[in-house]
Amino acid sequence: NAGVMQNPRHLVRRRGQEARLRCSPMKGHSHVYWYRQLPEEGLKFMVYLQKENIIDESGMPKERFSAEFPKEGPSILRIQQVVRGDSAAYFCASSLNRESSYNSPLHFGNGTRLTVT
Amino acid sequence: AQSVTQLDSQVPVFEEAPVELRCNYSSSVSVYLFWYVQYPNQGLQLLLKYLSGSTLVKGINGFEAEFNKSQTSFHLRKPSVHISDTAEYFCAVSEAGGFKPIFGAGTRLFVKA
Repeated sequence: NAGVMQNPRHLVRRRGQEARLRCSPMKGHSHVYWYRQLPEEGLKFMVYLQKENIIDESGMPKERFSAEFPKEGPSILRIQQVVRGDSAAYFCASSLNRESSYNSPLHFGNGTRLTVT
Repeated sequence: AQSVTQLDSQVPVFEEAPVELRCNYSSSVSVYLFWYVQYPNQGLQLLLKYLSGSTLVKGINGFEAEFNKSQTSFHLRKPSVHISDTAEYFCAVSEAGGFKPIFGAGTRLFVKA
């Protein structure tokens, strides 16, 4: 399957623990988006990365959240010291390059559902 | 700044009836418009897109949408829905020259037998 792969599909963390969400983009894609989905709120943009570079992180909370997309390996969304309000579905999407990011559809993974207990 | 409004959070409809899901956007520049569908516990899949040309766009599963520039709308329609169309539908807007698609809050379509 050459689609966007996210893991784990479900993640349960206690308050105060760290959550690490992984995303492998489609083959050949070098740009990754992270979105958060809360009930009744739709998809909220968090961060847009290309390999080894954060292009736009205007949707990321200022504290506890970070994202990276290394030269090798998947993109990682990291949430430190999780709180109950972090419970949500987190979706990753990829695009071929920046030029195709606005006129081509994004390819989404199936998401990671984070539950903070 | 661009924004997307999906006017209906939930739309219940009987099987084989027509349906319209509404989407309005605001932007000061040219836009590209998309509709995505999300089935339970899955990611989003593209239904259709408008980039340029004919304002009536046909997508998969019998859906179509019409771009109305004067009303800044991109409503999604299907003449006869099936039970399997039950899902959440998202309208998305991307500005020409931009790179960050903005999504609406979604519309849950419930198709009843």
